[in-house]
Amino acid sequence: SQQGEEDPQALSIQEGENATMNCSYKTSINNLQWYRQNSGRGLVHLILIRSNEREKHSGRLRVTLDTSKKSSSLLITASRAADTASYFCATENTGRRALTFGSGTRLQVQP
Amino acid sequence: GAGVSQSPRYKVTKRGQDVALRCDPISGHVSLYWYRQALGQGPEFLTYFNYEAQQDKSGLPNDRFSAERPEGSISTLTIQRTEQRDSAMYRCASSQRTGLTSSYEQYFGPGTRLTVT
Repeated sequence: SQQGEEDPQALSIQEGENATMNCSYKTSINNLQWYRQNSGRGLVHLILIRSNEREKHSGRLRVTLDTSKKSSSLLITASRAADTASYFCATENTGRRALTFGSGTRLQVQP
Repeated sequence: GAGVSQSPRYKVTKRGQDVALRCDPISGHVSLYWYRQALGQGPEFLTYFNYEAQQDKSGLPNDRFSAERPEGSISTLTIQRTEQRDSAMYRCASSQRTGLTSSYEQYFGPGTRLTVT
């Protein structure tokens, strides 16, 4: 079953704009991970944030985690056409090693 | 070294046939995971191993699905008597994970696209 729910389901922006995607989940977690998938191809790991962390940065990516609200957000700054992809959040739930994925946000960056 | 590799990349089989999907994890990675991904959805967990031990198989949909990792490296996911509903992308991932409280990234392979006709 899907735990993480991404919002919005689809997002279209212009190159250079920022893109924000949100993820909500239901149970307690060890960590939350964000992945990118281009056109149904491979899943690329973007960033992992642990349950005791609140914010993490990697290049143009910024991830926040609010465990009290059971939510996370992924911000991509200064987007590029190459950022066009589906973005998934995945939670590693407490006591379980498996990742539980959401349905993803499809991001379209217009050049 | 190289990333997670999977073979075959594409498999077309007839209903009722058995298939075996192979995963070769990143060298030195202790944990290996199998997921299944339907079109337009995120991956769904099937099973996972630490070394050669299958730790969790709660995601396997029924007893036609089985997996092994006999030497703690390469893993095989076997589907017996395939059905059309088994058609999906089957993805393997590996991680360095060993401890109960540590957190490690899972790195995914390119997947095997299974089509059952």
